[in-house]
Amino acid sequence: DTAVSQTPKYLVTQMGNDKSIKCEQNLGHDTMYWYKQDSKKFLKIMFSYNNKELIINETVPNRFSPKSPDKAHLNLHINSLELGDSAVYFCASSQDRQSYGYTFGSGTRLTVV
Amino acid sequence: AQSVTQLGSHVSVSEGALVLLRCNYSSSVPPYLFWYVQYPNQGLQLLLKYTSAATLVKGINGFEAEFKKSETSFHLTKPSAHMSDAAEYFCAVRRAGTALIFGKGTTLSVSS
Repeated sequence: DTAVSQTPKYLVTQMGNDKSIKCEQNLGHDTMYWYKQDSKKFLKIMFSYNNKELIINETVPNRFSPKSPDKAHLNLHINSLELGDSAVYFCASSQDRQSYGYTFGSGTRLTVV
Repeated sequence: AQSVTQLGSHVSVSEGALVLLRCNYSSSVPPYLFWYVQYPNQGLQLLLKYTSAATLVKGINGFEAEFKKSETSFHLTKPSAHMSDAAEYFCAVRRAGTALIFGKGTTLSVSS
């Protein structure tokens, strides 16, 4: 069983489209995260939810909207996609917001053309 | 604000040689520090973590790191490199009560 699973693994889309990336964890963790890894492999936190409540919202364009229907799921919806949104998006989870260890998904490679 | 700096974006070693990946942190209080590894086209895997217990931390795959407060460093070492160690390595610090902040990463290449 995959602990943190993301779908899709690859996503190629045109500028201006709207797309969603889904994340699910079966670890029973309370806290989930979205990270963006750019072409230089720099990882930056975007959002975090704790028990469906948004607790971190970094400086991210409001075209990005996270949604957590329950504590096992954290989805990322992106409106009006731009070339600069091309990156690998990683979902992660931790036991709670104070926990040290994060479990990462395998990533979603988004390419905007 | 807490942050980490990884010195050297690319490190190359021969198989069997010592691996040393450098990380310095900036923090006004003792931080929680981590090393993660990322293999090609995969997610990140925790190698080891420092949480203010022993200063010498042993991790998986033969890696270890030493927390040195006087040098604000948390360098990652492995006595003998293996081809399978080739990957991207990230040092990270946990900002109090929030999320992990990552360094820019170091690519480790291992040649035979």
